Amino acid sequence: GAVVSQHPSRVICKSGTSVKIECRSLDFQATTMFWYRQFPKKSLMLMATSNEGSKATYEQGVEKDKFLINHASLTLSTLTVTSAHPEDSSFYICSARDLTAYGYTFGSGTRLTVV
Amino acid sequence: TQLLEQSPQFLSIQEGENLTVYCNSSSVFSSLQWYRQEPGEGPVLLVTVVTGGEVKKLKRLTFQFGDARKDSSLHITAAQPGDTGLYLCAGERGGSNYKLTFGKGTLLTVNP
Repeated sequence: GAVVSQHPSRVICKSGTSVKIECRSLDFQATTMFWYRQFPKKSLMLMATSNEGSKATYEQGVEKDKFLINHASLTLSTLTVTSAHPEDSSFYICSARDLTAYGYTFGSGTRLTVV
Repeated sequence: TQLLEQSPQFLSIQEGENLTVYCNSSSVFSSLQWYRQEPGEGPVLLVTVVTGGEVKKLKRLTFQFGDARKDSSLHITAAQPGDTGLYLCAGERGGSNYKLTFGKGTLLTVNP
Protein backbone atom coordinates (compact mmCIF):
# COMPACT_ATOMS: atom_id res chain seq x y z
CA GLY A 1 0.00 0.00 0.00
CA ALA A 2 0.83 3.66 -0.18
CA VAL A 3 3.41 4.85 2.34
CA VAL A 4 4.08 8.37 3.53
CA SER A 5 7.29 9.01 5.43
CA GLN A 6 7.49 12.00 7.75
CA HIS A 7 10.66 13.26 9.43
CA PRO A 8 11.67 14.06 12.04
CA SER A 9 9.33 12.24 14.43
CA ARG A 10 10.35 14.48 17.30
CA VAL A 11 12.12 17.80 17.44
CA ILE A 12 12.91 20.23 20.21
CA CYS A 13 13.98 23.72 19.24
CA LYS A 14 14.67 27.01 20.90
CA SER A 15 12.21 29.85 20.69
CA GLY A 16 12.95 32.06 17.69
CA THR A 17 14.52 29.36 15.54
CA SER A 18 13.02 27.65 12.49
CA VAL A 19 12.22 24.00 12.06
CA LYS A 20 11.68 22.06 8.85
CA ILE A 21 9.49 18.97 8.64
CA GLU A 22 9.63 16.69 5.59
CA CYS A 23 6.86 14.58 4.13
CA ARG A 24 7.64 12.05 1.40
CA SER A 25 5.40 9.75 -0.58
CA LEU A 26 7.51 6.62 -0.98
CA ASP A 27 5.78 4.55 -3.62
CA PHE A 28 3.42 6.91 -5.37
CA GLN A 29 3.35 10.40 -6.73
CA ALA A 30 1.39 12.97 -4.81
CA THR A 31 0.49 16.18 -6.60
CA THR A 32 -1.32 17.25 -3.47
CA MET A 33 -0.27 16.84 0.13
CA PHE A 34 -1.90 18.14 3.26
CA TRP A 35 -0.55 19.47 6.53
CA TYR A 36 -2.47 19.12 9.77
CA ARG A 37 -1.98 20.21 13.32
CA GLN A 38 -3.30 18.18 16.22
CA PHE A 39 -3.64 19.04 19.89
CA PRO A 40 -3.68 16.33 22.57
CA LYS A 41 -6.73 14.09 22.39
CA LYS A 42 -8.23 16.29 19.70
CA SER A 43 -8.95 15.81 16.03
CA LEU A 44 -6.81 16.92 13.12
CA MET A 45 -7.02 20.51 12.01
CA LEU A 46 -6.14 21.17 8.38
CA MET A 47 -3.54 23.90 8.07
CA ALA A 48 -2.85 23.96 4.36
CA THR A 49 -2.99 22.08 1.10
CA SER A 50 0.37 21.72 -0.58
CA ASN A 51 0.29 21.73 -4.37
CA GLU A 52 3.24 20.50 -6.41
CA GLY A 53 4.77 23.32 -8.39
CA SER A 54 2.49 26.04 -7.07
CA LYS A 55 1.69 27.95 -3.94
CA ALA A 56 0.09 26.24 -1.00
CA THR A 57 -3.51 26.97 -0.10
CA TYR A 58 -3.83 27.93 3.54
CA GLU A 59 -6.89 27.49 5.72
CA GLN A 60 -8.43 30.51 7.35
CA GLY A 61 -6.49 31.70 10.37
CA VAL A 62 -3.23 29.96 9.44
CA GLU A 63 -0.32 32.37 8.99
CA LYS A 64 1.35 31.57 5.68
CA ASP A 65 4.48 33.54 6.57
CA LYS A 66 4.90 31.50 9.72
CA PHE A 67 4.18 28.10 8.26
CA LEU A 68 6.08 27.95 4.99
CA ILE A 69 5.18 25.11 2.68
CA ASN A 70 7.21 23.96 -0.28
CA HIS A 71 6.18 21.18 -2.65
CA ALA A 72 9.01 21.10 -5.14
CA SER A 73 8.55 17.56 -6.39
CA LEU A 74 5.81 14.96 -6.76
CA THR A 75 7.09 13.06 -3.74
CA LEU A 76 8.21 15.72 -1.28
CA SER A 77 6.52 18.48 0.65
CA THR A 78 8.11 20.42 3.48
CA LEU A 79 6.64 22.51 6.26
CA THR A 80 8.90 25.08 7.89
CA VAL A 81 7.81 26.63 11.15
CA THR A 82 9.57 29.97 11.19
CA SER A 83 10.52 31.91 14.31
CA ALA A 84 8.95 29.22 16.45
CA HIS A 85 7.35 30.08 19.75
CA PRO A 86 6.17 27.81 22.58
CA GLU A 87 2.57 28.12 21.37
CA ASP A 88 3.65 26.46 18.13
CA SER A 89 4.40 23.29 20.07
CA SER A 90 2.10 20.63 18.71
CA PHE A 91 1.81 17.41 16.73
CA TYR A 92 2.08 18.07 13.01
CA ILE A 93 0.91 15.45 10.52
CA CYS A 94 1.11 15.32 6.74
CA SER A 95 -0.94 13.24 4.37
CA ALA A 96 -1.14 12.50 0.68
CA ARG A 97 -3.84 11.14 -1.56
CA ASP A 98 -2.98 8.33 -3.90
CA LEU A 99 -5.17 9.07 -6.89
CA THR A 100 -5.27 5.40 -7.86
CA ALA A 101 -7.14 4.50 -4.69
CA TYR A 102 -9.63 5.95 -2.29
CA GLY A 103 -8.34 7.12 1.04
CA TYR A 104 -5.50 9.20 2.24
CA THR A 105 -2.23 8.01 3.67
CA PHE A 106 -0.86 9.80 6.68
CA GLY A 107 2.67 10.26 7.91
CA SER A 108 3.53 9.19 11.43
CA GLY A 109 3.59 12.77 12.65
CA THR A 110 6.14 15.15 14.12
CA ARG A 111 6.07 16.18 17.75
CA LEU A 112 7.41 19.74 17.89
CA THR A 113 8.39 21.20 21.24
CA VAL A 114 9.54 24.81 21.36
CA VAL A 115 11.39 25.74 24.53
CA THR B 1 -18.81 25.48 11.83
CA GLN B 2 -18.16 21.78 12.32
CA LEU B 3 -19.23 20.13 9.08
CA LEU B 4 -18.98 16.65 10.54
CA GLU B 5 -20.48 16.05 13.95
CA GLN B 6 -18.94 13.02 15.60
CA SER B 7 -20.26 11.51 18.79
CA PRO B 8 -19.57 10.58 21.44
CA GLN B 9 -16.30 12.40 22.00
CA PHE B 10 -15.27 10.15 24.86
CA LEU B 11 -16.25 6.57 25.54
CA SER B 12 -15.00 4.28 28.29
CA ILE B 13 -16.35 0.74 28.32
CA GLN B 14 -15.57 -2.72 29.63
CA GLU B 15 -14.07 -5.46 27.53
CA GLY B 16 -16.74 -7.43 25.73
CA GLU B 17 -19.25 -4.57 25.41
CA ASN B 18 -20.55 -3.26 22.11
CA LEU B 19 -20.39 0.37 21.03
CA THR B 20 -21.41 2.64 18.18
CA VAL B 21 -19.79 5.87 17.04
CA TYR B 22 -21.77 8.27 14.89
CA CYS B 23 -20.74 10.79 12.30
CA ASN B 24 -23.39 13.19 10.99
CA SER B 25 -23.45 16.08 8.59
CA SER B 26 -25.87 18.24 6.66
CA SER B 27 -23.54 17.99 3.67
CA VAL B 28 -23.24 15.21 1.14
CA PHE B 29 -19.89 13.50 0.85
CA SER B 30 -18.56 11.57 -2.11
CA SER B 31 -16.76 9.29 0.31
CA LEU B 32 -16.37 8.92 4.02
CA GLN B 33 -13.43 7.40 5.75
CA TRP B 34 -12.81 6.05 9.21
CA TYR B 35 -9.39 6.19 10.79
CA ARG B 36 -7.89 4.91 14.02
CA GLN B 37 -5.05 6.75 15.66
CA GLU B 38 -2.81 5.75 18.52
CA PRO B 39 -0.87 8.29 20.63
CA GLY B 40 2.18 9.67 18.85
CA GLU B 41 1.23 8.09 15.53
CA GLY B 42 -0.53 9.22 12.39
CA PRO B 43 -4.08 8.07 11.64
CA VAL B 44 -4.43 4.70 9.95
CA LEU B 45 -7.22 4.17 7.47
CA LEU B 46 -9.74 1.54 8.52
CA VAL B 47 -12.27 1.78 5.73
CA THR B 48 -13.64 3.99 2.98
CA VAL B 49 -17.33 3.97 2.14
CA VAL B 50 -18.51 5.56 -1.09
CA THR B 51 -21.99 4.24 -1.90
CA GLY B 52 -25.12 5.37 -0.08
CA GLY B 53 -26.40 2.54 2.12
CA GLU B 54 -23.11 0.71 1.94
CA VAL B 55 -22.13 -1.60 4.80
CA LYS B 56 -18.58 -2.83 5.26
CA LYS B 57 -17.26 -5.22 7.84
CA LEU B 58 -13.74 -5.49 9.16
CA LYS B 59 -13.64 -8.34 11.68
CA ARG B 60 -15.57 -6.99 14.70
CA LEU B 61 -16.03 -3.54 13.13
CA THR B 62 -19.06 -2.70 11.01
CA PHE B 63 -19.24 0.53 9.05
CA GLN B 64 -22.36 2.01 7.50
CA PHE B 65 -22.80 4.88 5.11
CA GLY B 66 -26.18 6.56 5.14
CA ASP B 67 -28.43 6.36 2.10
CA ALA B 68 -28.06 10.09 1.52
CA ARG B 69 -24.29 9.95 2.04
CA LYS B 70 -24.52 12.48 4.87
CA ASP B 71 -23.88 10.24 7.83
CA SER B 72 -22.00 7.16 8.88
CA SER B 73 -21.58 4.89 11.86
CA LEU B 74 -18.95 2.59 13.25
CA HIS B 75 -20.09 -0.33 15.38
CA ILE B 76 -17.64 -2.43 17.35
CA THR B 77 -18.79 -5.77 18.68
CA ALA B 78 -17.24 -7.31 21.78
CA ALA B 79 -14.67 -4.57 22.24
CA GLN B 80 -11.15 -5.55 23.25
CA PRO B 81 -8.50 -3.48 25.07
CA GLY B 82 -6.59 -3.42 21.80
CA ASP B 83 -9.41 -1.38 20.28
CA THR B 84 -8.46 1.53 22.51
CA GLY B 85 -7.60 4.61 20.49
CA LEU B 86 -8.86 7.74 18.82
CA TYR B 87 -11.39 7.02 16.08
CA LEU B 88 -11.83 9.69 13.43
CA CYS B 89 -14.36 10.02 10.67
CA ALA B 90 -13.49 12.16 7.68
CA GLY B 91 -15.49 13.14 4.64
CA GLU B 92 -14.36 14.02 1.16
CA ARG B 93 -16.55 16.38 -0.89
CA GLY B 94 -15.65 15.16 -4.33
CA GLY B 95 -14.96 16.79 -7.65
CA SER B 96 -11.46 18.20 -7.74
CA ASN B 97 -11.71 19.31 -4.12
CA TYR B 98 -9.46 16.68 -2.63
CA LYS B 99 -9.70 17.71 0.96
CA LEU B 100 -10.80 15.82 4.04
CA THR B 101 -13.09 17.26 6.66
CA PHE B 102 -12.56 15.58 10.00
CA GLY B 103 -14.98 15.01 12.81
CA LYS B 104 -13.84 15.85 16.34
CA GLY B 105 -12.92 12.26 17.03
CA THR B 106 -13.99 9.66 19.57
CA LEU B 107 -11.50 8.69 22.23
CA LEU B 108 -12.30 5.09 23.08
CA THR B 109 -10.95 3.33 26.14
CA VAL B 110 -11.68 -0.36 26.57
CA ASN B 111 -10.94 -1.54 30.09
CA PRO B 112 -9.93 -5.14 30.71
